Amino acid sequence: EDQVTQSPEALRLQEGESSSLNCSYTVSGLRGLFWYRQDPGKGPEFLFTLYSAGEEKEKERLKATLTKKESFLHITAPKPEDSATYLCAVQASGGSNYKLTFGKGTLLTVNP
Amino acid sequence: ETGVTQTPRHLVMGMTNKKSLKCEQHLGHNAMYWYKQSAKKPLELMFVYNFKEQTENNSVPSRFSPECPNSSHLFLHLHTLQPEDSALYLCASSPPASGFGEQFFGPGTRLTVL
Repeated sequence: EDQVTQSPEALRLQEGESSSLNCSYTVSGLRGLFWYRQDPGKGPEFLFTLYSAGEEKEKERLKATLTKKESFLHITAPKPEDSATYLCAVQASGGSNYKLTFGKGTLLTVNP
Repeated sequence: ETGVTQTPRHLVMGMTNKKSLKCEQHLGHNAMYWYKQSAKKPLELMFVYNFKEQTENNSVPSRFSPECPNSSHLFLHLHTLQPEDSALYLCASSPPASGFGEQFFGPGTRLTVL
């Protein structure tokens, strides 16, 4: 069974204090790993797709990296508007193309 | 409107009521999804439709009945629900070119079952 574990559950940072969120996964074969951001009262918003170990993607203050067992979402010099819940999901190869297995998310709060 | 829209945004219903949730996407996507999001739990995939055909039913109880009349509209018909069905119900769509992993979500319907 595919599993995704995100840590920490919650993270509180001061504005400008860089940190990383972790997503560890267990899947028979990885088709893709996805990061989403969810603001309160809204649906998740797609951020990144990673396909293979060693791959990196960047968007503004966010950088996602992937190894064979985990992914990190690095946040550099965060701002209060980066506060949100960050979700990680995996798509297994050999299984349904449509199914994403999500983690519970990390609630990030950035204080001014 | 653009993106994925859902109505109603909030719904309170009794256990004996029948109601429907509506989702509409204006993105030209072919695949549409229903998810359930409960507090402290991961997003759970419920149903998937691709080109109006149901491709996934993730062991969802029969009190939830999906309908997809065309690639732009998706419904979730609810009847005889239980209090534990209270949750945020999210609709999503995706283009095939993304491999179905890049999904665009609506704002959700917050459902409360009394």
